[in-house]
Amino acid sequence: GAVVSQHPSWVICKSGTSVKIECRSLDFQATTMFWYRQFPKQSLMLMATSNEGSKATYEQGVEKDKFLINHASLTLSTLTVTSAHPEDSSFYICSGAGFTDTQYFGPGTRLTVL
Amino acid sequence: AQKITQTQPGMFVQEKEAVTLDCTYDTSDPSYGLFWYKQPSSGEMIFLIYQGSYDQQNATEGRYSLNFQKARKSANLVISASQLGDSAMYFCAMREGMGQGAQKLVFGQGTRLTINP
Repeated sequence: GAVVSQHPSWVICKSGTSVKIECRSLDFQATTMFWYRQFPKQSLMLMATSNEGSKATYEQGVEKDKFLINHASLTLSTLTVTSAHPEDSSFYICSGAGFTDTQYFGPGTRLTVL
Repeated sequence: AQKITQTQPGMFVQEKEAVTLDCTYDTSDPSYGLFWYKQPSSGEMIFLIYQGSYDQQNATEGRYSLNFQKARKSANLVISASQLGDSAMYFCAMREGMGQGAQKLVFGQGTRLTINP
């Protein structure tokens, strides 16, 4: 099956700093990548959709200047949480999709902002 | 309006029994896809099964089958011969529109399945 990796798997940072999370499709070309966040005991909420070489499309209520998404190649997308605050602490999951409709998810990144 | 509804917050089943996880959906788009994902405590989302709105037969993948009732807008997941390793959160998701590459998914609230030995 298709494999997606994320790095780091967990990160702790101080309030006000920026954190970058990488999402890589290892054995397929992900023309589209999605970023989700998940709070404890809740479902996944889509943050943004990115297509390779294009600007990301953000969901309503998601601050694009705070959550910077770059999808520079068919195998790599990055999410940068700028000036992180404790309320940004969450589980961030990416997914990649190639030419089929099925999304394959990364293992997630747990972000804790102190 | 809630597009995906999973009415069972938690399910407890004896090992080796079959279990059905409920999912109903709401859409006016004639073209859509329905997915089930499993999320163990480690957090990863594991793709289980897919059903397209135009598929004539119910999807099956090993011990997983999808009971697709289009008129009732339900897409229940059936797990046969449950195993201890099946204990996890299960999410139903829908994608509206087809044939235009990957589209965003809308997820239900999930069902926590616990398999008892």
